Order: sequence, then structure tokens, then C-alpha cells
Amino acid sequence: QVQLQQSGPGLVKPSQTLSLTCAISGDSVSSDIAAWNWIRQSPSRGLEWLGRTYYRSKWYSDYAPSVKSRISINPDTSKNQFSLHLNSVTPDDTAVYSCARGVGVSFQVFHIWGQGTMVTVSS
Amino acid sequence: DIQMTQSPSSLSASVGDRVTITCQASQDIGKYLNWYQQKPGKAPKFLIYDASNLETGVPSRFSGSGSGTDFTFTISSLQPEDFATYYCQQYGNLPFTFGPGTRVDVK
Repeated sequence: QVQLQQSGPGLVKPSQTLSLTCAISGDSVSSDIAAWNWIRQSPSRGLEWLGRTYYRSKWYSDYAPSVKSRISINPDTSKNQFSLHLNSVTPDDTAVYSCARGVGVSFQVFHIWGQGTMVTVSS
Repeated sequence: DIQMTQSPSSLSASVGDRVTITCQASQDIGKYLNWYQQKPGKAPKFLIYDASNLETGVPSRFSGSGSGTDFTFTISSLQPEDFATYYCQQYGNLPFTFGPGTRVDVK
């Protein structure tokens, strides 16, 4: 059974970098049938897909245009996990951040989620 | 980005009622639409893919239809455990985008 366990701080100062990690059990970050996503949810933005990483002979990443200049999602094969880094954060980045396993032809089905991390951007 | 809208934003219903939610995409997405259910404090639960296909284990009272830009989600007979917020999500193009949600609460 695949499970995702998130870790990272719940408070980040404006202009700093938000960093979260998602540890995978029951699957591999290098799986060829899944992609590893970050999604956030806030009252103002609703559910917002941020991006993903996946392995198909080499590593690929896709990012939402809204955050593309500030985001990186990186796999760590040694620890079987992946991470989110969002830099230059503002209070508008305050949200619940969740990792999710994506499957399907376009890895478009988010069927397994982490527990969510409430991240507040405040000084 | 493809914009998704849902209506209504909320509705009140009773156990046994038939509930219908609509989702509209800002451009043609074919049948590339998922539906999710979310309860407070929980992650979304995947229900339906390709607009009308039920995920394994999802009760048959849930159904979906539509293609192109207009989609419908129906609960044929609302059960106590169905009070939740429902979201559509398109995967016709990146970035994947979600509708704003429809909250179903007790009348």
C-alpha cells in the first residue's frame, strides 16, 4: 500500500523559501507508472496544482505557470522521497500543501495524498 | 490555463435526495475530467475519471457525464456519508486545474 508522509516547517517568513519533503513508502520515486505532485489549497485560490516530477528513462518536471519562476520539485532516489522548494514567498502563498501520487495516461489522477501541511507565510 | 467553474457553489439536501452538480471548462477538454470528494480536514478522494468512469470501490450512486466543456456529476440518492465538498479537475492540458468546489450540506 502506497503511503506519503510529509515533513517541513509550518511557518515561513516573507521573501524566504518554503521547503517541504514527501517520503514515499510502498512505491518508488523512480516508478515508471506514477508522477509525484505538489498541490496546495487555500480559501482564496482553492485547489491549485503546482507541479510534478517523474522518471521515464530520465527525470522530467512540469510546473504551473503561476509559480514556474519560483518553484522546483526534486526527487531524491537515495531516500525515496521528493521535495518542493518555493522561493520568494509572500502571504499569498499561505495554504495547505499536499503531495500526491499521480497515475493514469497523463498521471492525471491524484489517488493517494499526503497528510497535508499548513504553511503560513508571516513575519 | 483552462478555467473551471462549478455550480452551484453550495447546496442543501436531505438523505435520499438526488443531487446534481455541473462543471464547465473554459475550452474543450474532451472527456478529460475527474471528480473528487473532500471532507473537512481530509485529502480529496478520487471518484470518477474520464468524465464518467467510476473508480473501483466507489458506490454506484455516484455518476458523471458530459464532454467538451460541460459536465455533470450526480448522486442518485444522497447518503449521510456523502455530505462533503465536490471538485472537478481537468487534465486536457497542463496545468491541471480544479473547479472551485460545490459544498453539499444538510438541509
